Amino acid sequence: GAVVSQHPSRVICKSGTSVKIECRSLDFQATTMFWYRQFPKKSLMLMATSNEGSKATYEQGVEKDKFLINHASLTLSTLTVTSAHPEDSSFYICSARDSGASNSPLHFGNGTRLTVT
Amino acid sequence: KQEVTQIPAALSVPEGENLVLNCSFTDSAIYNLQWFRQDPGKGLTSLLLIQSSQREQTSGRLNASLDKSSGRSTLYIAASQPGDSATYLCAVPSGAGGYNKLIFGAGTRLAVHP
Repeated sequence: GAVVSQHPSRVICKSGTSVKIECRSLDFQATTMFWYRQFPKKSLMLMATSNEGSKATYEQGVEKDKFLINHASLTLSTLTVTSAHPEDSSFYICSARDSGASNSPLHFGNGTRLTVT
Repeated sequence: KQEVTQIPAALSVPEGENLVLNCSFTDSAIYNLQWFRQDPGKGLTSLLLIQSSQREQTSGRLNASLDKSSGRSTLYIAASQPGDSATYLCAVPSGAGGYNKLIFGAGTRLAVHP
């Protein structure tokens, strides 16, 4: 079945540094990918929609200069948390749908646990 | 604005029980509804996707039903096993955001003990 690979699965960084998270669709193409954030025991909140070859669409309240998204190919989207602060510590999950299949479900990566010290 | 609610928030049962997890949504104009499973510290695994024209979907011991008019879906788990322990999330596409933008419930944390 469709697989979405997310890397790294866990990262610890110091305040002020930047962290890049990759999301790859392994056996399908995705013109659109989605980045979610999840706080402990809370639901997933959509941060932004990543569009291949164009700018990402950010949800209200999400700082686009803080969370840089690049979708350079049909199989790869990256999320860069810039100048990270402890409040950015969270679980980040990407998802994608097979652009070539109608009514296909969204597939999710295994997430990235970011800890900012 | 679409809102998704899941009840109960947590559930602990002995092995072998049949379970019903509930999901409700405020805007009945949905394209579909999807149930996911999330293990601790992991991503989401899609369990069942019900299209708006369907009433239910089945996969193994799982059965999901959809009643659009009442804004409800249930996930039925038959003969529960310890391996079923996880958080179960339901999600519907945001009407304003389109087909792919999902609105999630907060989930039901299920613990099945031997």
